[in-house]
Amino acid sequence: SAVISQKPSRDICQRGTSLTIQCQVDSQVTMMFWYRQQPGQSLTLIATANQGSEATYESGFVIDKFPISRPNLTFSTLTVSNMSPEDSSIYLCSAARLWETQYFGPGTRLLVL
Amino acid sequence: KQEVTQIPAALSVPEGENLVLNCSFTDSAIYNLQWFRQDPGKGLTSLLLIQSSQREQTSGRLNASLDKSSGRSTLYIAASQPGDSATYLCAALNFGNEKLTFGTGTRLTIIP
Repeated sequence: SAVISQKPSRDICQRGTSLTIQCQVDSQVTMMFWYRQQPGQSLTLIATANQGSEATYESGFVIDKFPISRPNLTFSTLTVSNMSPEDSSIYLCSAARLWETQYFGPGTRLLVL
Repeated sequence: KQEVTQIPAALSVPEGENLVLNCSFTDSAIYNLQWFRQDPGKGLTSLLLIQSSQREQTSGRLNASLDKSSGRSTLYIAASQPGDSATYLCAALNFGNEKLTFGTGTRLTIIP
């Protein structure tokens, strides 16, 4: 199994600012992902974080808005840029070894005022 | 494109009863199917993973089954407890695609 931690656990931010969320895995994994979960909804995949290269974004998500880094096999960051109230959501990091169980972090609850 | 559906969206059951949660998927070329639970405001906890070659997996009071031909999976919870109250999500992993496709979830409430 893998244990995933995220920082911060929650934050309240002002419109127009940016927030960087950190994700740390306690063991080396192949895949790391970032999801968004809006209130009462299921998970929406934002992007796959690729080690040492640009992330792969899903339709509707762009690098300028959600820049992602993954400098090594156990760490990734997601930045939510130029925030608006519509970005208020839970942001979840997950990780997996290829074709194995996917594990999730506890999430970051973001409120944008 | 894979689509995963979970019905019902919400379910309330008296404590002690056995129950079944349903998951349907449109593309049967799956590598595995995973079941998760999510408590309010929290991340997801992995419950069971069924490989495409398996028909069921068990962990404690939980039993998950998989029928690829009909595009269905079920999660059976025996002797339900109030602590089982949560949202349960299923997710399919397809061949050639490392990304999970999530269902919309079933919000389960166990009534003491």
